[in-house]
Amino acid sequence: EVQLVESGGGLVQPGGSLRLSCAASGFTFSSYWMSWVRQAPGKGLEWVANIKQDGSEKYYVDSVKGRFTISRDNAKNSLYLQMNSLRAEDTAVYYCARDLDNSADYWGQGTLVTVSS
Amino acid sequence: EIVLTQSPATLSLSPGERATLSCRASQSVSSYLAWYQQKPGQAPRLLIYDASNRATGIPARFSGSGSGTDFTLTISSLEPEDFAVYYCQQRSNWMYTFGQGTKLEIK
Repeated sequence: EVQLVESGGGLVQPGGSLRLSCAASGFTFSSYWMSWVRQAPGKGLEWVANIKQDGSEKYYVDSVKGRFTISRDNAKNSLYLQMNSLRAEDTAVYYCARDLDNSADYWGQGTLVTVSS
Repeated sequence: EIVLTQSPATLSLSPGERATLSCRASQSVSSYLAWYQQKPGQAPRLLIYDASNRATGIPARFSGSGSGTDFTLTISSLEPEDFAVYYCQQRSNWMYTFGQGTKLEIK
């Protein structure tokens, strides 16, 4: 059974940093692109970033470029999102998702990030 | 950036009725269009990928159609569990964007 479990969310002050993790199991992690998608409270879905199987390609939504870094450790079956210079508008539930056929076929349950003083 | 516009914003129907949801892209996305269902407090669930292919375990009452810029998600006969928010999503140059969502509510 495919499982994605996010962790690392919490309350952080504006300008602060946070590192999210996603533990993957039930599939060959190193064979898939992976993504982070977020959802602000009461709002729609926003794709944040994705990363190729070997980590050689990474893409970001414009609003996080230069502040967020996506990475992975295939030996640990883990995906990460390093978030720096956080802003109030980064407040959201962050989902880890597996990419397949131009879509995201499995999602974690999400971790809440709140940026507030 | 490709913008996806979903309509209507809210759709009010009764169980057993047919639902038709629309997604329009600001430029062609070929067939790289997916649909998701999201219920309150839950993660999104993939319904349709590449415009018309049902994801694993998705009931046959869900179908997708379209190509280029105009796409449709059809639910042939609504079940009580189908009332939720639906999002379309496209991939272009390895980056994704989502539509703003259509809320399907019980009439």
